[in-house]
Amino acid sequence: GENVEQHPSTLSVQEGDSAVIKCTYSDSASNYFPWYKQELGKRPQLIIDIRSNVGEKKDQRIAVTLNKTAKHFSLHITETQPEDSAVYFCAASYRERGGADGLTFGKGTHLIIQP
Amino acid sequence: NAGVTQTPKFRVLKTGQSMTLLCAQDMNHEYMYWYRQDPGMGLRLIHYSVGEGTTAKGEVPDGYNVSRLKKQNFLLGLESAAPSQTSVYFCASRIGHLNQPQHFGDGTRLSIL
Repeated sequence: GENVEQHPSTLSVQEGDSAVIKCTYSDSASNYFPWYKQELGKRPQLIIDIRSNVGEKKDQRIAVTLNKTAKHFSLHITETQPEDSAVYFCAASYRERGGADGLTFGKGTHLIIQP
Repeated sequence: NAGVTQTPKFRVLKTGQSMTLLCAQDMNHEYMYWYRQDPGMGLRLIHYSVGEGTTAKGEVPDGYNVSRLKKQNFLLGLESAAPSQTSVYFCASRIGHLNQPQHFGDGTRLSIL
């Protein structure tokens, strides 16, 4: 099955600086990679996703890059703000023999924005 | 449009008791999932369903059962609760097309004493 590794587990950056979270995956057939943000006590919420036919996607201060050859993808947050403090999860798609597909999640990165 | 709704939000059980967690979605999604979230472990898939009347096991199915009698509802049952099942449980749903995001409910915090 799919295995997703996420690093670092904790990341502390100064407000205004950039943050980068990296994930690697094992299944070369994976072709969908979403990122979720989870604030304390809340639900995971999709912030950006990328499909394997593109190498980069941006949405304001957030960007995701994908390297299919190396099987890794990264989340980039620029000009970090206090409200960016949360746990971020990466995920990679997998496909079962019967055709059903799902997501395997990384263990999460606790991003702390220092004022 | 409420999205994905989970009930209850909190529950405390004694070891050996049973209970059912309800997930309801109003987005006409085909796929539904149950995850558990434990500190440092991320989200682990318990069971999932690709349509009404169908269910399948995920990564950590032992001790749980599920049913999907109606398309909009996905029930997670604990027949005999154990302290190891203390966790936060999240339900998610998505449309049936490939490579689409999952939408999560607010979670159920379950403690087994």
